[in-house]
Amino acid sequence: AQSVTQPDIHITVSEGASLELRCNYSYGATPYLFWYVQSPGQGLQLLLKYFSGDTLVQGIKGFEAEFKRSQSSFNLRKPSVHWSDAAEYFCAVESGNKLVFGAGTILRVKS
Amino acid sequence: ETGVTQTPRHLVMGMTNKKSLKCEQHLGHNAMYWYKQSAKKPLELMFVYNFKEQTENNSVPSRFSPECPNSSHLFLHLHTLQPEDSALYLCASSQAPRGGRSDTQYFGPGTRLTVL
Repeated sequence: AQSVTQPDIHITVSEGASLELRCNYSYGATPYLFWYVQSPGQGLQLLLKYFSGDTLVQGIKGFEAEFKRSQSSFNLRKPSVHWSDAAEYFCAVESGNKLVFGAGTILRVKS
Repeated sequence: ETGVTQTPRHLVMGMTNKKSLKCEQHLGHNAMYWYKQSAKKPLELMFVYNFKEQTENNSVPSRFSPECPNSSHLFLHLHTLQPEDSALYLCASSQAPRGGRSDTQYFGPGTRLTVL
């Protein structure tokens, strides 16, 4: 069965520092991959997605992610974090009729 | 309004009450989803509807009853809930799966449900 692992439950970075959130997936064919962000008490907002083509995907709010088939990874990156990026981030892989989500990574930003 | 809307945003109910959650999507999609998000647990898919037909019920207790009258509206009827049902209930929509592959899901803001 398809699965998604986000190894880091919490990550704390300083404002202005770079960020990388890890995501590993298990999927037999070419995966459709997603990153969503959730602010407290809100729904999930799509940051970016990968279906095919260029393995470096640009998203909203200055985020990007790189699909690495050999490592079964789809890590999310941002070169300079802003305090407003503090939220929970979810990686997901498409599995037929549904999305399979990771457990999420809570990002804290310190000033 | 645009996107996916959910009402109410907050709901407090007793275990003997009957209430309903509403979701409406303005994106022209034809698939809709209910998810449950509990504290410290992964997002749980509850139900999937494609073209108004239920295509997935993820072993959800019968005290949760979904209804999809058309491709734009989705309801979750609640009755005799338990305190452990307290959670954030999220609705999402997408284009229906094609060739066995599903499309990007767009989420509403959620309904925060508290069962006393």
